[in-house]
Amino acid sequence: DAKTTQPPSMDCAEGRAANLPCNHSTISGNEYVYWYRQIHSQGPQYIIHGLKNNETNEMASLIITEDRKSSTLILPHATLRDTAVYYCIVRGDNNAGNMLTFGGGTRLMVKP
Amino acid sequence: EAGVAQSPRYKIIEKRQSVAFWCNPISGHATLYWYQQILGQGPKLLIQFQNNGVVDDSQLPKDRFSAERLKGVDSTLKIQPAKLEDSAVYLCASSLNALSGIASPYEQYFGPGTRLTVT
Repeated sequence: DAKTTQPPSMDCAEGRAANLPCNHSTISGNEYVYWYRQIHSQGPQYIIHGLKNNETNEMASLIITEDRKSSTLILPHATLRDTAVYYCIVRGDNNAGNMLTFGGGTRLMVKP
Repeated sequence: EAGVAQSPRYKIIEKRQSVAFWCNPISGHATLYWYQQILGQGPKLLIQFQNNGVVDDSQLPKDRFSAERLKGVDSTLKIQPAKLEDSAVYLCASSLNALSGIASPYEQYFGPGTRLTVT
């Protein structure tokens, strides 16, 4: 599975959009991009995943560049409860065990 | 639907003692994972079960760690004897059948974790 690079920390004002970048320049054609987040003292929580197309659900939007070498997770209206560590993970569909390899993630601080 | 349950939530032991953690996955989830998360780092997979069989335990320190899922439902992770560097949060996760051969990825659902402190 390809490695990912994320900024260690970011700040965002409450009510504004939070845009979290992820670099995955070695991604291959059959690898998905996943996003999980971990709120303090809780286990990680699935947010969204995508392969090629942009994706949106009730939590967030995922924008994947055309060359698939980077992506951005967008929280459209960040709240204080979105303060967490956000992990970008790349996983191949030949990863039969569905294993996730977590990096250091981005610590997002949403400020009032 | 009930989430992944873990117990205990917190445990403090002295080095060289033994400890066990319990996990009950979401009903119907065939795949169960144990992760270790050291402070300031992302979770690291220790072992993965498919029903009652081990799929991957390549990162499990087998000289001191063991895990079982005898009936294919709940699971126990044991450390014997514990070392100071085992201080971490131990997370259990489950997912639908990850080895079904279907290409769609399955999201993992995590429990709250057990925070272990070894003194």
